[in-house]
Amino acid sequence: AQSVTQLDSQVPVFEEAPVELRCNYSSSVSVYLFWYVQYPNQGLQLLLKYLSGSTLVKGINGFEAEFNKSQTSFHLRKPSVHISDTAEYFCAVRDGNNRKLIWGLGTSLAVNP
Amino acid sequence: DGGITQSPKYLFRKEGQNVTLSCEQNLNHDAMYWYRQDPGQGLRLIYYSQIVNDFQKGDIAEGYSVSREKKESFPLTVTSAQKNPTAFYLCASSSLDRAHSPLHFGNGTRLTVT
Repeated sequence: AQSVTQLDSQVPVFEEAPVELRCNYSSSVSVYLFWYVQYPNQGLQLLLKYLSGSTLVKGINGFEAEFNKSQTSFHLRKPSVHISDTAEYFCAVRDGNNRKLIWGLGTSLAVNP
Repeated sequence: DGGITQSPKYLFRKEGQNVTLSCEQNLNHDAMYWYRQDPGQGLRLIYYSQIVNDFQKGDIAEGYSVSREKKESFPLTVTSAQKNPTAFYLCASSSLDRAHSPLHFGNGTRLTVT
C-alpha cells in the first residue's frame, strides 16, 4: 500500500534562511504528488502539485518542489523564508490507479526572527 | 467567490450528546470529504461521498455518521458512540474530472466535548 513519510516533524529556521521540508513516498508506477499548507486554525490550501513532465514544480508563495523518481522523494524548498511562512506543511500522494489520497503526518515550520 | 463553508468554527458539547457539523460548498464539486485532525497524527479520513445519496466509510468512521442529500452539503454527525470526539474537523471537496484534482478545504470546526 502507498505510504508517505515526512522526515521531520518540526523544522525551526531563521527568517531569510533557506528551508527544505522532506517527503518520501513508497514506490508506485505512477503517482500524483501534492504539498499543502495549513496556517494556524485554518484549513489546508494547495501549495503545488506534480503531475508529470518537468521534475521541478513551482508553487505559490515562492515555494518549489522537486520530484525524484529514483529516490521516491518530493522535497519542498524555499530559498528565503518569512515569518509568515510559519505553518504546518503536508505532503500527499495519490496513486494513479485509485483516487485515495495518502497523507504524511505534517511538518511544522517555525520561522524565527 | 467559490469555496467551502464550515460552521460553526468552535463547538462545545457535553459528553453523551450528538452534534452535527455543517459543510457547504459552491464549487460544484461531486466529491466531498470529512477529515479529523489531531496533533501529530496528520489527517485521517472519516467519510467521503462521490455522488448524492451515496457515501463510503473512511479509515475512522466508527462513531460518526453523514448524509449527502444535496450536492452542496455534506453534514457530519459526531455521535455519543465516538469515544474521543474532541478534535479539529476539516471538510473538503474535489472535482472527479481528473485523478490529480486537488482538494479544497474549509476552515474547519474545532469541537470540544467535556
